[in-house]
Amino acid sequence: LAKTTQPISMDSYEGQEVNITCSHNNIATNDYITWYQQFPSQGPRFIIQGYKTKVTNEVASLFIPADRKSSTLSLPRVSLSDTAVYYCLVGDMRGITGGGNKLTFGTGTQLKVEL
Amino acid sequence: EPEVTQTPSHQVTQMGQEVILRCVPISNHLYFYWYRQILGQKVEFLVSFYNNEISEKSEIFDDQFSVERPDGSNFTLKIRSTKLEDSAMYFCASSGRSDRGPNQPQHFGDGTRLSIL
Repeated sequence: LAKTTQPISMDSYEGQEVNITCSHNNIATNDYITWYQQFPSQGPRFIIQGYKTKVTNEVASLFIPADRKSSTLSLPRVSLSDTAVYYCLVGDMRGITGGGNKLTFGTGTQLKVEL
Repeated sequence: EPEVTQTPSHQVTQMGQEVILRCVPISNHLYFYWYRQILGQKVEFLVSFYNNEISEKSEIFDDQFSVERPDGSNFTLKIRSTKLEDSAMYFCASSGRSDRGPNQPQHFGDGTRLSIL
């Protein structure tokens, strides 16, 4: 899996947009970019996944430039409940058997949202 | 939305005892996983399981560990003789088939906190 680099921590205030950038310079052609969120004492929760350009769902947007060497998770109008660790993972999630592959988590970005 | 459920939420066991952690993956998923997270550390992959056999396992998953899918719904992780260093959160995850479409993300349960005394 491609190595990823993301900030250790970020602080924000309620109502602001938060952008967390992840660097993945050695991303491979078949690799996808996936973001997870984890609250204390809970399992990682899938947020969004993309391959190129922009992906948007009801929770977040994912921006991927043309060279795919980085990606930015955008959380619009954060609230206190968005305080969590955010993980950027890069890899070919299909695996050898055409589905399934281990995920390699880094230390993530600890986002703290205050009033 | 379908969820991965894990039981128990907290398990306290004496060192050397056997423990079985249980998971009910999302019903139409085909790939199953166990991860663990020691307090304050990263989430670590243990094992993946597909078509009733182990697909991949990490160095952590030694002979003391085993997995089983005893019926159509449950997926279990057994630790035969627990050690103090097995104390951690254990997460089960599942994912759907992806060779015919986009990558399918893994969905995690909320874990079992295993405390070895």
